[in-house]
Amino acid sequence: SYELTQPPSVSVSPGQTARITCSGDALPKQYVYWYQQKPGQAPVLVTYKDTERPSGIPERLSGSRSGTTVTLTISGVQAEDEADYYCQSADSSGTHVVFGGGTKLTVL
Amino acid sequence: QITLKESGPTLVEPTQTLTLTCTFSGFSLSTSGVGVGWIRQPPGKALEWLALIYWNDDKRYSPSLRSSLTITKDTSKNQVVLTMTNMDPVDTATYYCAHTYDFFALHFDYWGQGTLVTVSS
Repeated sequence: SYELTQPPSVSVSPGQTARITCSGDALPKQYVYWYQQKPGQAPVLVTYKDTERPSGIPERLSGSRSGTTVTLTISGVQAEDEADYYCQSADSSGTHVVFGGGTKLTVL
Repeated sequence: QITLKESGPTLVEPTQTLTLTCTFSGFSLSTSGVGVGWIRQPPGKALEWLALIYWNDDKRYSPSLRSSLTITKDTSKNQVVLTMTNMDPVDTATYYCAHTYDFFALHFDYWGQGTLVTVSS
């Protein structure tokens, strides 16, 4: 089955830039979406269609892509950004939803 | 304002069938492009997509779980129901329902709070 690969963890100090990657063979053909999930809460959509940001999401969160890898960048990381982040896309047919394994962002 | 809420049993015995209901407000499942999906998350683990139903009754299922899942909608009641047969302890998870609006861009912009289902005898 189709998989999206994320690093299990990323650690940064406050004010630094965090980059979380997501890779998958079908990514060049499909949009990528990122979700933020804090403990005990439902996921929140933070970027959609690779680079768009829903209203209310801080500008310091941004999405980009290069070939088969997409990246969620969090600039000027704050303590409140500590969370699990999941990428999501579709398989090559565009029919089925796929989630990455998640990345735990730790703010040191 | 879009809201979704999951309901169903908190405890299910192995081999039983799980029936979960998603009751929503703020949108209609008769609107073109709109859909409702189900996603689950075992304790301490990643999100896993289960199923999705669209306004036109187009249904999508996770290939790995397709044989055990059924998703239906009741537009008049603003509800989507997911059934999952032959439950196993590994199916213990928080189950979420979520809204999507773009038939050509699979993603979820609003989520319910989730409901924890434990599979145990």
